[in-house]
Amino acid sequence: ETGVTQSPTHLIKTRGQQVTLRCSSQSGHNTVSWYQQALGQGPQFIFQYYREEENGRGNFPPRFSGLQFPNYSSELNVNALELDDSALYLCASSSSYEQYFGPGTRLTVT
Amino acid sequence: QKEVEQDPGPLSVPEGAIVSLNCTYSNSAFQYFMWYRQYSRKGPELLMYTYSSGNKEDGRFTAQVDKSSKYISLFIRDSQPSDSATYLCAMRRTPQGGSEKLVFGKGMKLTVNP
Repeated sequence: ETGVTQSPTHLIKTRGQQVTLRCSSQSGHNTVSWYQQALGQGPQFIFQYYREEENGRGNFPPRFSGLQFPNYSSELNVNALELDDSALYLCASSSSYEQYFGPGTRLTVT
Repeated sequence: QKEVEQDPGPLSVPEGAIVSLNCTYSNSAFQYFMWYRQYSRKGPELLMYTYSSGNKEDGRFTAQVDKSSKYISLFIRDSQPSDSATYLCAMRRTPQGGSEKLVFGKGMKLTVNP
């Protein structure tokens, strides 16, 4: 059974640019959640996808958007990047109550 | 007031010490409680998962939940240098057609010195 994988590992972008982060969920898991973890903070919930539909959203602006594909993999898109978007972006997949996290994508906005 | 409060530390202990990590929460709707361990530059790894008040033990780790006080704890016995990491408490509400989002504490950075 493979775990949650994310790509890329690291990314550097300029303010105002757009970025797409990718996540492959653990085998058999149909729910994917995305979290933002700023330095020294706990992860903050961005949104969740269940069977290709958004299934809940945290306090993030609309420039944060996502997709889930039929194979349950997922993308997080962020438009008009701001300096405060610099963080570790975590994807978690779950089939019931437990969420399993990937290694994250570290995004730096300059 | 934040929904979940966790002392961010850092905490430094000698090898073999008993470590106590704690979180408090304000929302009585939280029903599921988790502890995650996060090594530097890695994603969080699920350590313990509890539903009801009481204790749950797994090897050197014991998770304790006191819903009446809105207080959860993680105890680590015989701590090892490999336990050095950031420990995050997390909790979630019973899903009722909504998302299963986790609400995290800030995380406590633990260093176990040989």
